Formats: sequence, C-alpha cells, structure tokens
Amino acid sequence: AQTVTQSQPEMSVQEAETVTLSCTYDTSESDYYLFWYKQPPSRQMILVIRQEAYKQQNATENRFSVNFQKAAKSFSLKISDSQLGDAAMYFCAYRSAVGTGTASKLTFGTGTRLQVTL
Amino acid sequence: EAQVTQNPRYLITVTGKKLTVTCSQNMNHEYMSWYRQDPGLGLRQIYYSMNVEVTDKGDVPEGYKVSRKEKRNFPLILESPSPNQTSLYFCASRSDRVGYTEAFFGQGTRLTVV
Repeated sequence: AQTVTQSQPEMSVQEAETVTLSCTYDTSESDYYLFWYKQPPSRQMILVIRQEAYKQQNATENRFSVNFQKAAKSFSLKISDSQLGDAAMYFCAYRSAVGTGTASKLTFGTGTRLQVTL
Repeated sequence: EAQVTQNPRYLITVTGKKLTVTCSQNMNHEYMSWYRQDPGLGLRQIYYSMNVEVTDKGDVPEGYKVSRKEKRNFPLILESPSPNQTSLYFCASRSDRVGYTEAFFGQGTRLTVV
C-alpha cells in the first residue's frame, strides 16, 4: 500500500519570503500522480499543483512550484513571495495512474499547517 | 459552474440515529469517493464508486454505507452513528478520461455524534 508522509506539522513564513513544505511517499508503482492541496479555514480543498510521475520537469503554477525527486520519492512544495492568503493547511496526496480501484483513491499525508506572519 | 455539492454542511446527531449525507456533482464524472478527515490523520477514503451501481470499500468503511443509483449522486449513509464517527467528511469526484487527473471536492460536512 502507498503511504504519504509530511514530517512538518507546522511551518511559519514571513510575508514575501519563500517557504518549502516537505513530502515523501512510498510506492512500488512507476506511474502515478502527486498533488498538493490547500485547505484554508473555509475547509474547502483546493488543488494547488499536480505532477505526473512520468514527467521529469517540475510543475509550476505562478508562485507555487514543486521539487519532484522520483528516485528519492520526494515531492516538496515551494511557495515564493508568501502572502497572508497562503495561510492554510497543506496536504500532499498520491494517486495511482493504473488500475481501477487504486486509481480511485487519493492517499493523503497528515498535513502541514502554514502560518504567514507580517 | 462545475461543482460538487454536499449537504448538510453541519450536523449534530445522537448515537444510533440514522443519517444520510448527500453528495451531487454536475460534471458527469464517473469516479466518486467519500473521505473523512481527522486531526493528525489527514483524509482517508471511506468508499468509492467507479460508476452507477459500482461501489467498493476504501480504507475505513466500517459503519458506513453508500449507494450509486444515479451517476450524479453518491450519498453516504450512517445507519447507527457512533461518537467515533465524529469527523469532517468530504465527497469528491473526478473523470475517468485519460489526462483528467483533478479531483473536485465538496465543501465538507462537519458531523458531530453525541
């Protein structure tokens, strides 16, 4: 079974600075997807960024980018120019790209709560 | 607007009183899932459905039932709720088309069982 580990329960960053959230995962599969979701106080789950395992290029979405190290099974999220609105819980998630039942499931880490200070 | 709609948003109930949390999506998605979120545990899948009349257990199915009679709806049923089912619940859906990777989540249902 796949597992996702987020070892930082809480992080803090000053406004306009850069912060990196860590995520490691364990899988025997070669074809899969990785995601970062943001959960603000409204509880809504918002997709921040996604990465296909077969792509070597790291995904980027505006101020958000990932460092995907497939061999190390690492998938960190970098937030540049942090803003107050970035304060939220961030979840790393894995989904298989093959099969039916396994492809139905997102496996989540336990989350990292990000605080943004002035 | 593409969306997944859960109801109710908040629910307080007593042990043993049957309840249903509804979930509806307007994107004609094949896959639908229910997750529960608990502090320190992240989100865990309860049940999923790959299409109408096709459902299967996720990681934490005990105490829950689901049905998929229509493609758009995927209700979560707690026949005899217990306090350990107090949690935040999310419904999610996604397409099974190749290249469509994103899962769309409902707004969440905060359930308290006393």
